[in-house]
Order: sequence, then C-alpha cells, then structure tokens
Amino acid sequence: TQLLEQSPQFLSIQEGENLTVYCNSSSVFSSLQWYRQEPGEGPVLLVTVVTGGEVKKLKRLTFQFGDARKDSSLHITAAQPGDTGLYLCAGFKAPNAGKSTFGDGTTLTVKP
Amino acid sequence: ETGVTQTPRHLVMGMTNKKSLKCEQHLGHNAMYWYKQSAKKPLELMFVYSLEERVENNSVPSRFSPECPNSSHLFLHLHTLQPEDSALYLCASSQDLQGGYEQYFGPGTRLTVT
Repeated sequence: TQLLEQSPQFLSIQEGENLTVYCNSSSVFSSLQWYRQEPGEGPVLLVTVVTGGEVKKLKRLTFQFGDARKDSSLHITAAQPGDTGLYLCAGFKAPNAGKSTFGDGTTLTVKP
Repeated sequence: ETGVTQTPRHLVMGMTNKKSLKCEQHLGHNAMYWYKQSAKKPLELMFVYSLEERVENNSVPSRFSPECPNSSHLFLHLHTLQPEDSALYLCASSQDLQGGYEQYFGPGTRLTVT
C-alpha cells in the first residue's frame, strides 16, 4: 500500500518557470519532510513541516503542509538548472519512532 | 570528514560472493538506518538501529545481515544475493528515534548483482 503519492511523477520545464509538486495521503502525519536527491547521491533534507497549514520558505522554494496534515506541496519560483533532481516527501507518524514513509518522488528537470 | 559516508560507492558482485557495505556517521547521532532504493519504487526501509540495538527488521531476507558495532558505524553484510537485489543502498542517521523524522543520508552504494 502506497501511503504517500507524489505528483507529477516527472516534470520537465524551462529555466525561469514556476512549478508545484504535490504529496498526498489519506493518512495523518505528525510531520512531513521534503528531500532533494541528485543523481549518484543520497537524499538531502530540505525542510520539515509540523503544524497543519504551516508554510515555510527556503529561498525560491515554498513548502506548505495541509490543514489536516495529510498532504503537502512544494512550489518553486523561477526554477534554475540547479533545482534539477528527485524530490521526495516523507511522512512521519509518532510514536512510530524511526519509521518514515517515503513517496516515490517527482523527477524535475530544469532546462537552461 | 563530516556527515554520513558510505563505502564502497559502487559494487559488482556475483550471486555466490560475500561482501559488506560500510556506513559511518560523524554527526554524533544515536540512530542509524539502511534503505534500499530501486528504480520506480519508493525508498524501502530495511533496518533501524538505536544505540547499537536493532529495533526494526522490515521483513528483509536473511541474505542481508546488518551489524552495528557502535553508534557511529553500520554494516550490511551481503551473502548469496539475487539479481533483483541490485539497487542503491542508502545509509542514514538521525539524532535518535524520536527525532527520526529528520534523517541525514549518505551517498549510497550502487550494487549490481550479476
């Protein structure tokens, strides 16, 4: 059973465009993380969102946690080639300590 | 060195070989994890260790055998693998299990079983 579904699965855009990727679930999570993974490397943590409705910004990246803590979105403004990578969301349910559920990712390609 | 390191970065092995993957974290964390990442599949959690004790074995076949001699080192011993075991094996660490939602990953070992 896939608890976290990410969409779109693949996204190819031109430099300067805006984009949004989504992470959806029917389950409620205590917190949700977004990671970016570049080819040949491990995922790198970008942000953690904890409170329903929470919005966090990291330069050109805006992360939002759904009010019901079941979904999240990542919006990138003015995408750059350096944003290219696999974006993974992961949900964490306390008290299942140590067990995060990962989505299957969105592969983003930003063309110069 | 900082962060989480993994060796080797690439490994090709036959089905009858025995090899080991090594992970080392320099973050002072108390929890460590092994994940398997296959193409077109979500990350699969394999094992979780907390303070050198295994706390999770996620229905992993016995041909994968983890070892955690101390809180900084984690090994994955491989024996009689199958071609479908070819994947990227990722190690991660977190401050502790309660903080296990923020994990720091190594670069992975790309394993090919021939």
